[in-house]
Amino acid sequence: EAGVAQSPRYKIIEKRQSVAFWCNPISGHATLYWYQQILGQGPKLLIQFQNNGVVDDSQLPKDRFSAERLKGVDSTLKIQPAKLEDSAVYLCASSFKETQYFGPGTRLLVL
Amino acid sequence: GEDVEQSLFLSVREGDSSVINCTYTDSSSTYLYWYKQEPGAGLQLLTYIFSNMDMKQDQRLTVLLNKKDKHLSLRIADTQTGDSAIYFCAESINDYKLSFGAGTTVTVRA
Repeated sequence: EAGVAQSPRYKIIEKRQSVAFWCNPISGHATLYWYQQILGQGPKLLIQFQNNGVVDDSQLPKDRFSAERLKGVDSTLKIQPAKLEDSAVYLCASSFKETQYFGPGTRLLVL
Repeated sequence: GEDVEQSLFLSVREGDSSVINCTYTDSSSTYLYWYKQEPGAGLQLLTYIFSNMDMKQDQRLTVLLNKKDKHLSLRIADTQTGDSAIYFCAESINDYKLSFGAGTTVTVRA
């Protein structure tokens, strides 16, 4: 069974630019999560989808971050405009019930 | 502060047992998890335990849960060099959302 796929794996941008990340969850997993992992810290939840609906986006900085999952499968996370403090690994996870499986992450460096 | 706390570093000799400890704050946690993260990789689910259990064993891994003290531990028997990684403890409360600790870096020395 294929795991969670993410692209790109690495991205370097300058501050105030925009960037988008893509995630393809495990087939059949209705729930999809985006996490931000800053160096030296554990992942922090940004947004949770159930199919194509948002369950929780309370920790998403909505002035610059947006996410969508239009057809209830793939998801994109966008940052516009990026700030230096957005440098982190962005992890996508999907789940069926209580077990979450993570993708390899996208490493973002904002200069 | 963090809802889930872990010690930051652990050094262990190859072949010995490793014990990684974690404390959490929310008594309504339903599941508690251990994830492993190797350099440059995502998080790999190692094991998890339902909150009404005290212990779970899976090959070299043993999870102990003390609900009264809100303490979770992961024991790795016969630790190998491939076990060197960062280990994250996480709790889930509502809708299976995970709250992670900062991670424990385990270094296995020969």
